[in-house]
Order: sequence, then structure tokens, then C-alpha cells
Amino acid sequence: EADIYQTPRYLVIGTGKKITLECSQTMGHDKMYWYQQDPGMELHLIHYSYGVNSTEKGDLSSESTVSRIRTEHFPLTLESARPSHTSQYLCASSPHIERETQYFGPGTRLLVL
Amino acid sequence: AQSVAQPEDQVNVAEGNPLTVKCTYSVSGNPYLFWYVQYPNRGLQFLLKYITGDNLVKGSYGFEAEFNKSQTSFHLKKPSALVSDSALYFCAVRERKNSGYSTLTFGKGTMLLVSP
Repeated sequence: EADIYQTPRYLVIGTGKKITLECSQTMGHDKMYWYQQDPGMELHLIHYSYGVNSTEKGDLSSESTVSRIRTEHFPLTLESARPSHTSQYLCASSPHIERETQYFGPGTRLLVL
Repeated sequence: AQSVAQPEDQVNVAEGNPLTVKCTYSVSGNPYLFWYVQYPNRGLQFLLKYITGDNLVKGSYGFEAEFNKSQTSFHLKKPSALVSDSALYFCAVRERKNSGYSTLTFGKGTMLLVSP
């Protein structure tokens, strides 16, 4: 198993609350990613980073924001949660030398009431 | 844009029988192709990848995949299925973004159910 951690694993929260999903990896990987996974299985890339102070938006438009201040840490923030944000969020990382092979964390399952 | 298609939402196979999970791709240039597996309430686990070289790629847990350039396919196979292989399987392809960086684009996933 890859050394990539996500907290919390499960979160139930009310509409309008600010939340931060944590993702950390201890492998020194330069590249990190956030995906949103639909209940019907499909993964959508929402953010990625190729290093410290480098972040890009992914394919799926998202109201979330990310930061990359340290190599090992890539948190995702929702300023005001809504029921439409209910989903599973998966974090992944990839070393530069492995040609895009990504290693995934266990995911955070978010429910916004 | 690069893409992959997994034509089957679900594949059913009996334990001990061979299994195939299908994936076709559409890319410009040389493809980097991947297979991942997801067990319930878990993240994705890397199984295998094709970058270059032999068309038959061997991976974890006895899985292998065959790269077929003429058919633009990268089907996942296993000679003898186990009940514990029941999971969600994703095919993915490398995609270069306008930012100049590369990411993975995933297929919609195929649920594999292996019956005892």
C-alpha cells in the first residue's frame, strides 16, 4: 500500500460550513491530484499540482480550492459546502520518474446535509 | 483529447474461469495505458501499465494486459478468476494538458463479479 493518507475518512456536515479535506504523502512525490468520484463510479480530476506553489484546475469544474505549500501536503477546501458537493474525494500522488503512475489514498466520503 | 472506453458496466465470471475486462483507447501519439482496481471503501490500487516494449504486460495479483495497437485495445486478463478479484476496475490513459503537464484520464469503470 502507498504511504498516502486522507483525513477524515468520513464527514457529515451541514450546508454552508467550511471544510478542509487533508491529504498527505510521505514518499516525496512531486505530483499530487484530487479526484471526485461519483456514486456511479466515474472519477473526475478536479485539481492537480506538479510541485510546491504549483496548482492547476482539472477537467471537472469545482468550487473547491487547493494549496501546495509543502511537498507532502495537498489540502482541498470548500468555503461553503452544499448538498451537490456530496461525493467521494480521492487524493493521489505520483513520482516524476514513474511516468504518471499514480498512488491513491483511501478517500474521504463527504455528505452535506 | 485522449480517452478510454470501457464498454461493459459489469462482467460476471465463475471462479476458476478466465476473465477479460475490456478497454479501448483513443490517443494521439504513443499511449501510456494503465489498469487500476478499487475495492469497496478503498482508494484505487495500481495493477499494471504499458509504456513501451512487450505488448503483454504482467502486473499484480496474477493480472496481465495485452496492448493491441491495431485494435487500439488494452484488455485486462487473468487465466483463473478468484472470488476475491470481485471489485471495480478502471482503465486509464495519460493525457497532456494545455498547462504542459500530464495527468490520467480514467474510463467509467467495470464492475467484476466472480461467483463461487
